[in-house]
Parts: sequence; C-alpha cells; structure tokens
Amino acid sequence: AQTVTQSQPEMSVQEAETVTLSCTYDTSESDYYLFWYKQPPSRQMILVIRQEAYKQQNATENRFSVNFQKAAKSFSLKISDSQLGDAAMYFCAYRGGYSGGGADGLTFGKGTHLIIQP
Amino acid sequence: DAGVTQSPTHLIKTRGQQVTLRCSPKSGHDTVSWYQQALGQGPQFIFQYYEEEERQRGNFPDRFSGHQFPNYSSELNVNALLLGDSALYLCASSLTGVGYTFGSGTRLTVV
Repeated sequence: AQTVTQSQPEMSVQEAETVTLSCTYDTSESDYYLFWYKQPPSRQMILVIRQEAYKQQNATENRFSVNFQKAAKSFSLKISDSQLGDAAMYFCAYRGGYSGGGADGLTFGKGTHLIIQP
Repeated sequence: DAGVTQSPTHLIKTRGQQVTLRCSPKSGHDTVSWYQQALGQGPQFIFQYYEEEERQRGNFPDRFSGHQFPNYSSELNVNALLLGDSALYLCASSLTGVGYTFGSGTRLTVV
C-alpha cells in the first residue's frame, strides 16, 4: 500500500519570505500523480499544484513550485513571497496512475500547519 | 458554475443510529469519491462511485455504504454509528479521475 509522510506538523514563516514543506511517499508503481492541497478553516480542500510522475520538469503555479525527486520519492512544496492568505493546513497526496492499475482514491499525509507571521 | 455541494454542513447523531450524507458533484463531473477526515489527520479514502457503481473502496467496514444516482449525485450511509465515526466527511468529484474538486464537508458528531 502507498503511504505519504509529512514530517513537519507545523511551520512558521514571516510574510514575504519563502518556506518549503516536505513530503515523502512510498510506492512500487512507476506511474502516479502527486498533489499538494490547501485546507483553510473553511474546510474545503483546494488544489495548489499537481505533478505527473512521468514528467521530469517540476510543476509551477505562480508563487508555488515543487521539487520532485522521483528516485528519492520526495515531493516538497516551495511557497515564495508568503502571504497572510497562505496560512492553512497543507496536505500532500498520492494517486496511482491508470496504467498501473492504481486505486483512484487519493492517499493523504497528515498535513502541515502553515503559520504566516505578519 | 456550482462547485461540489454537500449537505448537511453539521450533524449530531447518537451511537447506534444511522446517518445519510449527500453530495452534488461539480457540473460536468461524473465521478464521486468520499473521504473521512478525523480531527488533526489527513483525509482517508472511503470509496468512489462511477456510473452508479462502487469502483474502488478503501479500508472501511461494511457499515459504510454509498449510492450514486443517474444525475451523478451521491449519498454516503453509515450504519450503527460509533463514537469513532465522528469526523469531517468530504466529497470530491472529478471527470477524468485526476482533477478532483472537493466540497466543504459535513461535520458529523456522534455522542
């Protein structure tokens, strides 16, 4: 079974600075997807960024970028120019690819609580 | 374009009772997945419905069952409620199975 580990229960960063959230995963599949989701107090999971395992290029979405190290099974999220609105729980998630017969459900880590200091 | 709608937003039930939670997917989506999120934890996959059938199931007992209707909306049923079933229940819809849209969840408290 796949597992996702987020080793940082809580991170704090000054507004406008850069922060990196860590995520490692374990899988025997070669085709899969990785995600970072943000969950504010409103409870709704919001997709931040997505990475396909077959793509070597790291995904980027504005101030958000990932460092995807497939061999190391590492998938960290970098938030540049942190803003107060970035404060939330951040979850790393894994989903197997169709070609590998992987389950369609997402496997989540336990999350990292990100605090933005003004 | 409405996103994923879940009802009710909050619910209090007594141990041993049964509960039904509802989810309307985002317009154009045909697949619905359900997740249980205990306090301080990440969501756990319960099951996924596609074409009115359960396509994939996580490690949850048979007390958890579901249904998908022809209009793609879905219900999650939990029988014989336990205190440990208290959690936030999230519904996510998708079209391709990759791009998920989540609802704001139903907070279930079992007393």
